[in-house]
Amino acid sequence: QQQVKQSPQSLIVQKGGISIINCAYENTAFDYFPWYQQFPGKGPALLIAIRPDVSEKKEGRFTISFNKSAKQFSLHIMDSQPGDSATYFCAAGGGFQKLVFGTGTRLLVSP
Amino acid sequence: DVKVTQSSRYLVKRTGEKVFLECVQDMDHENMFWYRQDPGLGLRLIYFSYDVKMKEKGDIPEGYSVSREKKERFSLILESASTNQTSMYLCASSLQGTSDTQYFGPGTRLTVL
Repeated sequence: QQQVKQSPQSLIVQKGGISIINCAYENTAFDYFPWYQQFPGKGPALLIAIRPDVSEKKEGRFTISFNKSAKQFSLHIMDSQPGDSATYFCAAGGGFQKLVFGTGTRLLVSP
Repeated sequence: DVKVTQSSRYLVKRTGEKVFLECVQDMDHENMFWYRQDPGLGLRLIYFSYDVKMKEKGDIPEGYSVSREKKERFSLILESASTNQTSMYLCASSLQGTSDTQYFGPGTRLTVL
């Protein structure tokens, strides 16, 4: 089964700090790498996504870093805020590949 | 805004019951998906549909079936519910293929006693 390995399982960051979540994939056919954010009681929502033709994508305080040779990608949240406290899922897919999700990271940003 | 609605937020059923989970999307999306979400396991794909009356098995289809009679509606059916199907069920839709944004409903938390 194709897998996307996500770490850490949980993360506590001080307000203003940098939150970093890492993912690794196996299938080199993947060409689409989104991150989803889920608040309690809500379904996941797309946060940011990247394709392997670039090594980094930034949207506001959120940045995806992508390392194609290592088959790894990560989400960086700069200046983390309490409102960023949520569960984050990485995923990989594209082409004829179904989207495969990581196991999730529960982020808590302490005030 | 895309809206994906699920028929129930919470559902309690007994072992052996037939359970229907309904999902409706209002954006004329081609693709619809059913996932289950369990702590430590992330989101796992049960079934998806890329067109009316078309369905494809996901990673964990055993014990489930689906129905898509209309483009906007995708139903998940548990033919004979079991306790190991207690979970959060999420429906999603997307306009195009797997490289497109998936829009999720709020989820149905199903408890099978």
